[in-house]
Amino acid sequence: GAVVSQHPSRVICKSGTSVKIECRSLDFQATTMFWYRQFPKQSLMLMATSNEGSKATYEQGVEKDKFLINHASLTLSTLTVTSAHPEDSSFYICSASPGASYEQYFGPGTRLTVT
Amino acid sequence: GDSVTQMEGPVTLSEEAFLTINCTYTATGYPSLFWYVQYPGEGLQLLLKATKADDKGSNKGFEATYRKETTSFHLEKGSVQVSDSAVYFCAQNRDDKIIFGKGTRLHILP
Repeated sequence: GAVVSQHPSRVICKSGTSVKIECRSLDFQATTMFWYRQFPKQSLMLMATSNEGSKATYEQGVEKDKFLINHASLTLSTLTVTSAHPEDSSFYICSASPGASYEQYFGPGTRLTVT
Repeated sequence: GDSVTQMEGPVTLSEEAFLTINCTYTATGYPSLFWYVQYPGEGLQLLLKATKADDKGSNKGFEATYRKETTSFHLEKGSVQVSDSAVYFCAQNRDDKIIFGKGTRLHILP
């Protein structure tokens, strides 16, 4: 149980385009979903926290107009990277929580490459 | 600010060797501490946790003890297996968020 999926697993897009990443909790309802970014040999950096039906809370330094997060249902959250640039290339990981913050179940991640 | 520091990898060991991955933390309060594991191609999984000083978390032969006096939460296993090859993340919680270390890649040779 407690499976979280991400789609796509890898995506390559051209500079200036937008790309959407989906995060789904497959067998539980997620009251909260988290989006992380991971650079090579770096820790996971929390980008934003989203609760179903409300606006996401972004961490300091994360541009909310560039990284659009939608949490429309208790099983789906999406991250849209708008007007992507090569510096946005990274590994994006989502997690979903049914309750307490440490009960986070992680997706396998999405590798974004912007050319 | 609050942070987690863990030993850099990769760590390469032979099967049945003893494993220690060091982790220290800085925090203004008394966080809960965690070890997560990420197997190749999979998402992070919670391996073990400890919620207060002197607690010992354990799972799958791995152990870690919450040491307030040294602000440490070192991960240990007495006899590693090839299947333990993965990336291990030490973490703490702060409010409703989790702060991760950079991860340590572990390679176990048969």
